Amino acid sequence: QKEVEQDPGPLSVPEGAIVSLNCTYSNSAFQYFMWYRQYSRKGPELLMYTYSSGNKEDGRFTAQVDKSSKYISLFIRDSQPSDSATYLCAMSDDSGGSNYKLTFGKGTLLTVNP
Amino acid sequence: DAGITQSPRHKVTETGTPVTLRCHQTENHRYMYWYRQDPGHGLRLIHYSYGVKDTDKGEVSDGYSVSRSKTEDFLLTLESATSSQTSVYFCAISPPGMEETQYFGPGTRLLVL
Repeated sequence: QKEVEQDPGPLSVPEGAIVSLNCTYSNSAFQYFMWYRQYSRKGPELLMYTYSSGNKEDGRFTAQVDKSSKYISLFIRDSQPSDSATYLCAMSDDSGGSNYKLTFGKGTLLTVNP
Repeated sequence: DAGITQSPRHKVTETGTPVTLRCHQTENHRYMYWYRQDPGHGLRLIHYSYGVKDTDKGEVSDGYSVSRSKTEDFLLTLESATSSQTSVYFCAISPPGMEETQYFGPGTRLLVL
């Protein structure tokens, strides 16, 4: 079982739709959860960051973490064509020291059609 | 790009030649990372550094070496490039106080013929 599983898509939605992106994980030590957005031929950009369980909202984006189910989600409301990108989930534990390694999902390709 | 530059941005080289990629940051961050990104594999950690001259291996370090003689520069060297090292290479940093997160540079596209 891979440590982080993410549906690769592709996911195609009409403009204005609500988008739900998800990752599951197996390592119960993960405490920090991130979502990155990567446009074509660009570097990943940190979009959302949450610690432990709960929700975090930033504009049209909401990140949810359910540690009991080992499941994280990113919701995009009122999706726009400019949201078309690959979305990567990432997570790390709190072992710290010299070892702050992220474990990434493989990414979901999202296309928002005008 | 969190003050990160990568050079070169594109490179074509031949099998067997050495290649060095440079990551430069302007904020004196302690932690720096090198990843490669390939279709079907996602982002994979090659090497990372937690200070000047302090480096360690990631999950795909075979065929790669790194050096960090100054805080601002983290070099990735392919000792003898192979076609399997054709990839997009990303450098990343962790800002102080948020070491559990990473910010990425723009990437270097490397083609090994």
